[in-house]
Amino acid sequence: DTAVSQTPKYLVTQMGNDKSIKCEQNLGHDTMYWYKQDSKKFLKIMFSYNNKELIINETVPNRFSPKSPDKAHLNLHINSLELGDSAVYFCASSQGKMGSPLHFGNGTRLTVT
Amino acid sequence: RKEVEQDPGPFNVPEGATVAFNCTYSNSASQSFFWYRQDCRKEPKLLMSVYSSGNEDGRFTAQLNRASQYISLLIRDSKLSDSATYLCVVGGGGADGLTFGKGTHLIIQP
Repeated sequence: DTAVSQTPKYLVTQMGNDKSIKCEQNLGHDTMYWYKQDSKKFLKIMFSYNNKELIINETVPNRFSPKSPDKAHLNLHINSLELGDSAVYFCASSQGKMGSPLHFGNGTRLTVT
Repeated sequence: RKEVEQDPGPFNVPEGATVAFNCTYSNSASQSFFWYRQDCRKEPKLLMSVYSSGNEDGRFTAQLNRASQYISLLIRDSKLSDSATYLCVVGGGGADGLTFGKGTHLIIQP
């Protein structure tokens, strides 16, 4: 009964490719997020959706496009992958207002070669 | 000035010792504060929320000092399993959600 699940766990791909990461939460939370953790372990928010509506869109290249078909799902599509996109991408969810504690998925380790 | 700042460590501490580390935050309007724990190659997990009056959960004590804008985490009787990276998290001061510090790496040695 994984609360926040994301797939795939590992993703190795070549520069220029397009890839997607999927995320689902079964906690009934209203808000979902994508975070990026780089090689220096810094965890930084990329996007946040509340009830399928985009509420946070940090300075992220427009090659990254989130999609939320419903409030339990938030997918991340990345076009024209670059070497610098290599990182661990975490999906998370929270209940209620911004500032509530987050529940994270187990991460997707993306390696771009 | 960084929004949430922590000493990255590593802190090497013998088993059974008490260890404490702080975190400072820059946004005085922040409303929510947490400590998360992240094990190597794993996702961050909520360790405890931090309340204005301070709070304790077993061997862990968290405190908030709004005047000086820092929060602290104290671990008593440290165990080998406490080895991890501890992330200070601050939020609620705006529409930006939670902001994570870079983490403090703790190593408990036998």
